Amino acid sequence: KNEVEQSPQNLTAQEGEFITINCSYSVGISALHWLQQHPGGGIVSLFMLSSGKKKHGRLIATINIQEKHSSLHITASHPRDSAVYICAVSIQGAQKLVFGQGTRLTINP
Amino acid sequence: GAGVSQSPSNKVTEKGKDVELRCDPISGHTALYWYRQSLGQGLEFLIYFQGNSAPDKSGLPSDRFSAERTGGSVSTLTIQRTQQEDSAVYLCASRGVRYNEQFFGPGTRLTVL
Repeated sequence: KNEVEQSPQNLTAQEGEFITINCSYSVGISALHWLQQHPGGGIVSLFMLSSGKKKHGRLIATINIQEKHSSLHITASHPRDSAVYICAVSIQGAQKLVFGQGTRLTINP
Repeated sequence: GAGVSQSPSNKVTEKGKDVELRCDPISGHTALYWYRQSLGQGLEFLIYFQGNSAPDKSGLPSDRFSAERTGGSVSTLTIQRTQQEDSAVYLCASRGVRYNEQFFGPGTRLTVL
């Protein structure tokens, strides 16, 4: 079993829909990261959080430390949100990131 | 430059050859990471440098892989006697002192024929 599990693996939705991507982890962490990777593009860090909730524009990330679970929400989704979204955790006591397998999101116009 | 840069952007090599991949981190960033993303696979950690400390090499898949960071800045990842399974995108990231956020480079796509 992977230390970081994401669901769903693939998600297709219509423009305007509310999107939720989930991430569960099984190890002690110091922080959780949400990353975005566009086709053929580099990786951009969206959020880094260790507790609570963060919001940036239409994106919201939450984390529940007790349940070892995080969600990434996209409100009023748009085709330009189409990308692979990756959950990663900073392992407690170490600096390396451990990554989930990613969620491929496609937003159709 | 403003971001992390990597070179070359693409590298095609023959099985058995050695390759060197370069990473220029953001100026002033003390931490530098190498990751690998194989086709259809997730990202995996390879090696981490922090200042003058001994690097964390726990992610290197074999002794054919090595990396160095000269002068606390530029890093080179070397793969000796490349194999077809080494084909992947190799990503570098750097992190500053104050924040835990990592900034990723565009990657080097390595193809071993």
